[in-house]
Amino acid sequence: DAKTTQPPSMDCAEGRAANLPCNHSTISGNEYVYWYRQIHSQGPQYIIHGLKNNETNEMASLIITEDRKSSTLILPHATLRDTAVYYCIVRVVGGNKLVFGAGTILRVKS
Amino acid sequence: DTAVSQTPKYLVTQMGNDKSIKCEQNLGHDTMYWYKQDSKKFLKIMFSYNNKELIINETVPNRFSPKSPDKAHLNLHINSLELGDSAVYFCASSQADPPKLFFGSGTQLSVL
Repeated sequence: DAKTTQPPSMDCAEGRAANLPCNHSTISGNEYVYWYRQIHSQGPQYIIHGLKNNETNEMASLIITEDRKSSTLILPHATLRDTAVYYCIVRVVGGNKLVFGAGTILRVKS
Repeated sequence: DTAVSQTPKYLVTQMGNDKSIKCEQNLGHDTMYWYKQDSKKFLKIMFSYNNKELIINETVPNRFSPKSPDKAHLNLHINSLELGDSAVYFCASSQADPPKLFFGSGTQLSVL
């Protein structure tokens, strides 16, 4: 599975959009991009995933560049409860092993 | 109802003891996992079972033995506990492809 690179930490003001970048320059055509988050002392929580097209659900939007070498997770109106570690993961279609990296610590501040 | 539940939430034990962590999911998923999160917060997959069959077995000491009595349960038994086994252990389950993992709330194991 391709490797991902994320900034170690980011800050965001409450109510503003949080844009979390992820670089996956070695991604291949059959690899999905997944985002999970882990709020302190809890298990990781699925947020969203995509293959080629941009995706949106009730939690977030996922923007994947046309060459698929990077993506951005957007939390449109960040709240204090969104403070967490956010993990960007790529996984081959048909494989069921998700490999978590170090992630980005997002701190939402009032 | 909790989708993926693990027991116990906390486990404190002495070196050399044998302990088990239980996991149950009520989502009807076919695949279950054990992950370990160490003090540096890295999450590493240990095992995965699909319909009671082992499909992923990462480089984990033989002292760790998963057991899946049915597809809703995946228990983790650890023999001869060592200090380095101290970590948070997460159970997870998923269905179909692409898998969307649902995690339990974790078991914090402390080996003294």
